[in-house]
Amino acid sequence: SQQGEEDPQALSIQEGENATMNCSYKTSINNLQWYRQNSGRGLVHLILIRSNEREKHSGRLRVTLDTSKKSSSLLITASRAADTASYFCATVQGAQKLVFGQGTRLTINP
Amino acid sequence: DVKVTQSSRYLVKRTGEKVFLECVQDMDHENMFWYRQDPGLGLRLIYFSYDVKMKEKGDIPEGYSVSREKKERFSLILESASTNQTSMYLCASTPFLPRASPDGYTFGSGTRLTVV
Repeated sequence: SQQGEEDPQALSIQEGENATMNCSYKTSINNLQWYRQNSGRGLVHLILIRSNEREKHSGRLRVTLDTSKKSSSLLITASRAADTASYFCATVQGAQKLVFGQGTRLTINP
Repeated sequence: DVKVTQSSRYLVKRTGEKVFLECVQDMDHENMFWYRQDPGLGLRLIYFSYDVKMKEKGDIPEGYSVSREKKERFSLILESASTNQTSMYLCASTPFLPRASPDGYTFGSGTRLTVV
C-alpha cells in the first residue's frame, strides 16, 4: 500500500534554479522522511521531520510539513547537476514499517 | 560510517532456481527489511525482521522467504525463481523504537536480479 504520493512525477529545471517536490499522505504520522535515489542505486536518507515540526533545514534542503493538510514539501535551492535523482517521501506505519511514495524524478539541466 | 552491504549488484538466474540474496549491516540495528522496486509500482515491502529469528510478512511475501539467524544478516530467498521476480531488490536497516533515529533507514546499494 502506498502511503505517500509525490507530485510532480517528473521535474526538469535548469541548474541554479530551485526545485520543489510535494508529498501527500493519508494517515496520521509520527514523522515523514525524504530519500534520494541515484539511478540504479540504493536510497539515501536526506532528512526526517517529526509531526510536531513545521519546517526543517539541512544545507540546501528545506522540508515543510503541514499535518492538517497531510502534506510535505521538499525544496532544493540552487540546484546542481549532481542533484539529478529520484526523490521519495516515506512514512512509518506500525512498528517501523516504512512506506514509500512513487517518487519524483528530478533532472537538472546544465 | 554506517553500512548496509548487499552481496551482489547484478544477478542473473534461471527460472526455477533457488536464489539467495544476502544483506549484512554493521550498525547493530534490530530491524531489517527487504523491498523490491519496479517501474510504476515504486518500492514494495516483501518481508521485515525486528529481531533474530523473527520475521513479519510485508505487502508482497508470496514466492519469497527470509532468514535471520544472526542480528547482522538478513537473507531473502526465492524458493523457485520466476520471471516476474525480475526486479531491483533493496535491503534496509534501522534501530528499534523508541530510538527513532534522525538518520532514518539505511539502505544497501541494491541487487538487480534478472530471471531468465
